[in-house]
Amino acid sequence: EVQLVESGGGLVQPGGSLRLSCAASGFTVSSNYMSWVRQAPGKGLEWVSVIYSGGSTYYADSVKGRFTISRDNSKNTLYLQMNSLRAEDTAVYYCARDTPEGYYYYYMDVWGKGTTVTVSS
Amino acid sequence: AIRMTQSPSSLSASTGDRVTITCRASQGISSYLAWYQQKPGKAPKLLIYAASTLQSGVPSRFSGSGSGTDFTLTISCLQSEDFATYYCQQYYSYPRITFGQGTRLEIK
Repeated sequence: EVQLVESGGGLVQPGGSLRLSCAASGFTVSSNYMSWVRQAPGKGLEWVSVIYSGGSTYYADSVKGRFTISRDNSKNTLYLQMNSLRAEDTAVYYCARDTPEGYYYYYMDVWGKGTTVTVSS
Repeated sequence: AIRMTQSPSSLSASTGDRVTITCRASQGISSYLAWYQQKPGKAPKLLIYAASTLQSGVPSRFSGSGSGTDFTLTISCLQSEDFATYYCQQYYSYPRITFGQGTRLEIK
């Protein structure tokens, strides 16, 4: 069964750091484009970051320079290292698999259940 | 960034009703549009991609249409399990995808 399971969320003070994990089963993370999407309490969905199968990475302007996406091929796991956290980073963080439609276009067909990050003093 | 605007923001309907949700893009996105369903406390679930292609396993009462800037999601005969929030998402500007603000579908 194709599945994604996030972990690593929690309560952290402003300026702190946290590393989220997303363990995949039923497919290979390194062969796919993988994204992080977040949802602030009571709000909509916001794309955060993506890592391509070739290793290229991209970030939303709101997190660029503070967050780093990576993967461990041996563990078939995706990560999001979050530094210099702010109150506005409080959200549920989802990992998702991006599936291609054509050569350049990808939509998200598999999502994890999410992990909650709360940034507060 | 491409802005996605959904209407209405909320909608009340009854089981058995036919409902339509619209999504407008701030610029043309061809047919690179997906629809997701999200229930409280759950992850989004892909319903439709390429504006009108039903994801495997999704009931045929869901349908999508449109291209360019205007899109619709239609549920032909509402079931109790369909009451949820629906999001459109453009992937024309991948990887910088954007979502609509969501449409909350409630029981009348």
